[in-house]
Amino acid sequence: DAKTTQPPSMDCAEGRAANLPCNHSTISGNEYVYWYRQIHSQGPQYIIHGLKNNETNEMASLIITEDRKSSTLILPHATLRDTAVYYCIVRVGGGTSYGKLTFGQGTILTVHP
Amino acid sequence: SAVISQKPSRDICQRGTSLTIQCQVDSQVTMMFWYRQQPGQSLTLIATANQGSEATYESGFVIDKFPISRPNLTFSTLTVSNMSPEDSSIYLCSVAGQGSIYGYTFGSGTRLTVV
Repeated sequence: DAKTTQPPSMDCAEGRAANLPCNHSTISGNEYVYWYRQIHSQGPQYIIHGLKNNETNEMASLIITEDRKSSTLILPHATLRDTAVYYCIVRVGGGTSYGKLTFGQGTILTVHP
Repeated sequence: SAVISQKPSRDICQRGTSLTIQCQVDSQVTMMFWYRQQPGQSLTLIATANQGSEATYESGFVIDKFPISRPNLTFSTLTVSNMSPEDSSIYLCSVAGQGSIYGYTFGSGTRLTVV
């Protein structure tokens, strides 16, 4: 699975959009981009995933560049409860195919009042 | 998505002893995964457990230290054997659901402290 690079930490004001970048320059054509987050003392929570098109769900939006070498997770209106470690992961297959997830160090997002 | 019940949620154990962690899923799943998260660190995969076959261990993890059982499609156990303080970590199980569009679901973890 391709390696990802994320900034170690970011800050965001409550109510503003949080834009979390991820570089995955060695991504292969059949690898998806997944985002998970881990709120303190809990198991990781799935947020969103995509292959090449931009995706949006009730939690976030995922913007993938045309060359697929980077992506941005957008939390449109961050709240204090969005303070967590955010992990960007690339791996083969989508939601219905199986295999391990390899976690990097992630980005610690702190949302402040 | 699947719902995972992981037990115990936390434990304090004496060095040299063993602890078995249970992971129960509310639906049948093909693959189950066990992770370790050391203090202040990211998650590291220990092994992948498929029903009816031996678990597949990642580099640096061995069966004698972390034996895994997978007796059916809804249950798995991870044993941490002959524990030392370095085994103090959060241990998490995860599943990839059949036909799920949500990717992978994680349990809430077992916080282990070895004294």
